[in-house]
Amino acid sequence: GENVGLHLPTLSVQEGDNSIINCAYSNSASDYFIWYKQESGKGPQFIIDIRSNMDKRQGQRVTVLLNKTVKHLSLQIAATQPGDSAVYFCAENMNNQGGKLIFGQGTELSVKP
Amino acid sequence: DAGVIQSPRHEVTEMGQEVTLRCKLISGHNSLFWYRQTMMRGLELLIYFNNNVPIDDSGMPEDRFSAKMPNASFSTLKIQPSEPRDSAVYFCASSFSGAEAFFGQGTRLTVV
Repeated sequence: GENVGLHLPTLSVQEGDNSIINCAYSNSASDYFIWYKQESGKGPQFIIDIRSNMDKRQGQRVTVLLNKTVKHLSLQIAATQPGDSAVYFCAENMNNQGGKLIFGQGTELSVKP
Repeated sequence: DAGVIQSPRHEVTEMGQEVTLRCKLISGHNSLFWYRQTMMRGLELLIYFNNNVPIDDSGMPEDRFSAKMPNASFSTLKIQPSEPRDSAVYFCASSFSGAEAFFGQGTRLTVV
């Protein structure tokens, strides 16, 4: 039979534009969140993290926003570049379950030159 | 540090054979995670260890899968006997005390 895979959300942006990738997490007791980038054929790479006592954290060209009320995370990438094309995952650390690190399904970002 | 090192990078085996995947943690890290990635299910957590002790193995699919940490810097994931539906990319990741996890490059397993 036909192999039906996950239908990843996709985001297509023009080079130089800003990108916003969203993620809903599942456990209201999770206290630590991480964004990862995965390029084809590679393992996920750490981008930025945020703890639950913060609602915003900035890195180089990236910003993570956390809304605990609605269990929502977002990753903003400024001045998106072709090298940013990848699948982006959010992960939550379920500290109340001994530090279990669970990943969302991912969003595929495609940057058009 | 060379990062998390996984071996082999690719493995092709026949159904019914035993498969052993290996992982070397980053020096000083004390948490170890094994994940499986497929198109159907995305990144699934199979098992994780803190300080060499398995904390949660609820993601291990069945008794055919087992994982060990014989010492603080090394782990194995074994599948015996392997089946075609085990075909996937297997990642291990390590972290220090709940901080960000660093991933290896993965082992692409094909069971024919």
